[in-house]
Amino acid sequence: DAGVTQSPTHLIKTRGQQVTLRCSPKSGHDTVSWYQQALGQGPQFIFQYYEEEERQRGNFPDRFSGHQFPNYSSELNVNALLLGDSALYLCASSLGTGLSTDTQYFGPGTRLTVL
Amino acid sequence: AQSVSQHNHHVILSEAASLELGCNYSYGGTVNLFWYVQYPGQHLQLLLKYFSGDPLVKGIKGFEAEFIKSKFSFNLRKPSVQWSDTAEYFCAVNGHSGNTPLVFGKGTRLSVIA
Repeated sequence: DAGVTQSPTHLIKTRGQQVTLRCSPKSGHDTVSWYQQALGQGPQFIFQYYEEEERQRGNFPDRFSGHQFPNYSSELNVNALLLGDSALYLCASSLGTGLSTDTQYFGPGTRLTVL
Repeated sequence: AQSVSQHNHHVILSEAASLELGCNYSYGGTVNLFWYVQYPGQHLQLLLKYFSGDPLVKGIKGFEAEFIKSKFSFNLRKPSVQWSDTAEYFCAVNGHSGNTPLVFGKGTRLSVIA
């Protein structure tokens, strides 16, 4: 049973560029959430996708956007990269019961460095 | 605003010592509480969770946590730590009703030395 997978593992970009990160949820899961974890901080919620729609969004600018595909995999896009976007980006999947008690399973993350 | 405070940034213990990691939260309404662990080189894993009922929750690997509503706390405990418990520990909270996102603390790094 495959867990949550993310690609790529590491990524280096320069300011102003755009980046796309990818996530495949755990088998049987249909909901994907994205988090940003800056160095020395806990994960911070970006947004959640369910049935190919953004269901919830955290306090992140519109430069951060996402997409969910019919097979439940998801992409996180960040435009006009800033130095402050350097972080570990985590994807978490869960069953979409719509309850806050849904257990989230995390992937290994993508380390983004913006120079 | 919702927030989670983890009092200790880095804790260093000898093997067999007892562990208690503090977690306090600020959140309006009824909450769900979680502890996640991140071992070196691995992804975040759920250690234990509290939704309702008995405020003393037992998790994997001998960990437990106690929800004290009056103190807005959910401290993590283990009677005797092992070297393999070396990891980063994160406390998280969300609202009990509906579908609310997790709010994480900054984490506590635990180093267990022989």
